[in-house]
Amino acid sequence: EAQVTQNPRYLITVTGKKLTVTCSQNMNHEYMSWYRQDPGLGLRQIYYSMNVEVTDKGDVPEGYKVSRKEKRNFPLILESPSPNQTSLYFCASSPQDSEYGYTFGSGTRLTVV
Amino acid sequence: GNSVTQMEGPVTLSEEAFLTINCTYTATGYPSLFWYVQYPGEGLQLLLKATKADDKGSNKGFEATYRKETTSFHLEKGSVQVSDSAVYFCALGYDKIIFGKGTRLHILP
Repeated sequence: EAQVTQNPRYLITVTGKKLTVTCSQNMNHEYMSWYRQDPGLGLRQIYYSMNVEVTDKGDVPEGYKVSRKEKRNFPLILESPSPNQTSLYFCASSPQDSEYGYTFGSGTRLTVV
Repeated sequence: GNSVTQMEGPVTLSEEAFLTINCTYTATGYPSLFWYVQYPGEGLQLLLKATKADDKGSNKGFEATYRKETTSFHLEKGSVQVSDSAVYFCALGYDKIIFGKGTRLHILP
């Protein structure tokens, strides 16, 4: 089944403890992206990648890192999480940018205390 | 810059009512337009799309027509069901995809 897989689905962590949210897609898509979803703010793009070893900042990149060493994987790294990064995170992928629409993962609900 | 504006919710309707969720956009060039749906506890799913003016996207009884003259892409369904309760996002794709803030829809039995 074609899908984007995120792990974990739920995570509670403490301020400052490094964490990684994994994202993997099995559709051979070039484009991958991370979003966060917050009430009243909708979806905001954190980082995106047009292909292997090509990443760029979205609208809200502060406090996050990404890497794209393989086409299928696009992990999101929080080096020193803070409570304002408590949110619902989504990974998405697409064959190319924009025209085809995205396939989304099921989401990761992160709570930083 | 490019942007998407959709009607604020929540929208509450009775089962079998007619649904319209308004969406307008601002864009340079000729973007693709999308509607996504997010059911409780799930990620966003592509509901329908249109890639050029006057195209009509349709899926699961939902329809939307790409209106260049009014820069709109309103979502419609003739008879909603309880199972249509979800959050609906209008989106614009040009150099990247930009999402509206979402409209929560409640359907009462």
